[in-house]
Amino acid sequence: GAGVSQSPSNKVTEKGKDVELRCDPISGHTALYWYRQSLGQGLEFLIYFQGNSAPDKSGLPSDRFSAERTGGSVSTLTIQRTQQEDSAVYLCASSPGRTIYGYTFGSGTRLTVV
Amino acid sequence: GDSVTQMEGPVTLSEEAFLTINCTYTATGYPSLFWYVQYPGEGLQLLLKATKADDKGSNKGFEATYRKETTSFHLEKGSVQVSDSAVYFCALQGTTAGGTSYGKLTFGQGTILTVHP
Repeated sequence: GAGVSQSPSNKVTEKGKDVELRCDPISGHTALYWYRQSLGQGLEFLIYFQGNSAPDKSGLPSDRFSAERTGGSVSTLTIQRTQQEDSAVYLCASSPGRTIYGYTFGSGTRLTVV
Repeated sequence: GDSVTQMEGPVTLSEEAFLTINCTYTATGYPSLFWYVQYPGEGLQLLLKATKADDKGSNKGFEATYRKETTSFHLEKGSVQVSDSAVYFCALQGTTAGGTSYGKLTFGQGTILTVHP
């Protein structure tokens, strides 16, 4: 596609429920990243995919968070048993590969846990 | 580990004023440096980048020079406009000497800029 697409754009969920956030990267981009933007926390790295593998998942805050990528394309970030502190904007970005490029970011999914 | 420190905001200026937003970093290897901008209600956009020491990135009247000796990448604009009101993020991407990216970006906390007419 023309840009990085994320869905849903907004998600309100009850504490304790599981949620899935989806990211469609730019076609042909082999690298995909997830970040979290919280009020007062800035932008926090979560996980990096190169193809379907995740060489760096050091930013996942707990074992309630997981992510996968299939076909070298779409990625899903799953948060199990959501907590109120998970409320944030979750951003996905992609880039052509392991070269020195800036990323292209999606518009994000705003997650609110009530 | 890698880190980025930005001047704290918010920054409030009158139109046509000179803008500087300070950014300093610590990193191993040979990082690339970036400024991203987030306009109200929009996603993050790459504003400019520099990939090696003494490089100057520029875009839309904004400039930043990669200073290895002071580990800085300050953002400047000679004459700001109301439309420049946004949040500005400094970021680095670590690399090896061979230029291979480590992948992740490390961001500063962001600086809110408000420009009044």
